[in-house]
Amino acid sequence: DADVTQTPRNRITKTGKRIMLECSQTKGHDRMYWYRQDPGLGLRLIYYSFDVKDINKGEISDGYSVSRQAQAKFSLSLESAIPNQTALYFCATSDSQGMSNQPQHFGDGTRLSIL
Amino acid sequence: SQKIEQNSEALNIQEGKTATLTCNYTNYSPAYLQWYRQDPGRGPVFLLLIRENEKEKRKERLKVTFDTTLKQSLFHITASQPADSATYLCALERYGGATNKLIFGTGTLLAVQP
Repeated sequence: DADVTQTPRNRITKTGKRIMLECSQTKGHDRMYWYRQDPGLGLRLIYYSFDVKDINKGEISDGYSVSRQAQAKFSLSLESAIPNQTALYFCATSDSQGMSNQPQHFGDGTRLSIL
Repeated sequence: SQKIEQNSEALNIQEGKTATLTCNYTNYSPAYLQWYRQDPGRGPVFLLLIRENEKEKRKERLKVTFDTTLKQSLFHITASQPADSATYLCALERYGGATNKLIFGTGTLLAVQP
């Protein structure tokens, strides 16, 4: 079983719809992240959370919101989807031990297409 | 602004040769650098981490170097195999440290021909 699970794996929807992408992890990590990946732009950080009560904006948070429902669950919402939010979305986790220098563990992504 | 550059062109090499991938950065003084592998349709997988006070790190057929004067890291795969074909990403901790917030390069696609 995957340590970091993202659902759905693929989603096609229409402009203006509300979308939720879900992420759950069995690694016991405190830290969770949401990224989007676009061709030529690499991975960009949307939001991150260092524990259940902590939510922080990343570099491209506009148009997105998140919820950390439990240590193991971190969901990403697009309140009103627009076509330029079409991308590959990844959830990742990392351990808080030692603060930095920790590798991040990624799910296999959600491919989101907004028509 | 903080910037990471990886060669956007695909690297094609013959099986058995050494592949060398480059990661350059500007406006940074990172404490460490990480390398990841990404296969099509999959999330990145962590490979190696090197700290600023380490010149070189090895793991099996992989070797990473970190030159803070040149602001460059090189990633080597020796005795390359077709199974090594993938996109390789470098990542640096965002300025401010101690947060594990990474900035990723766009990646270099490696194709190892049998």
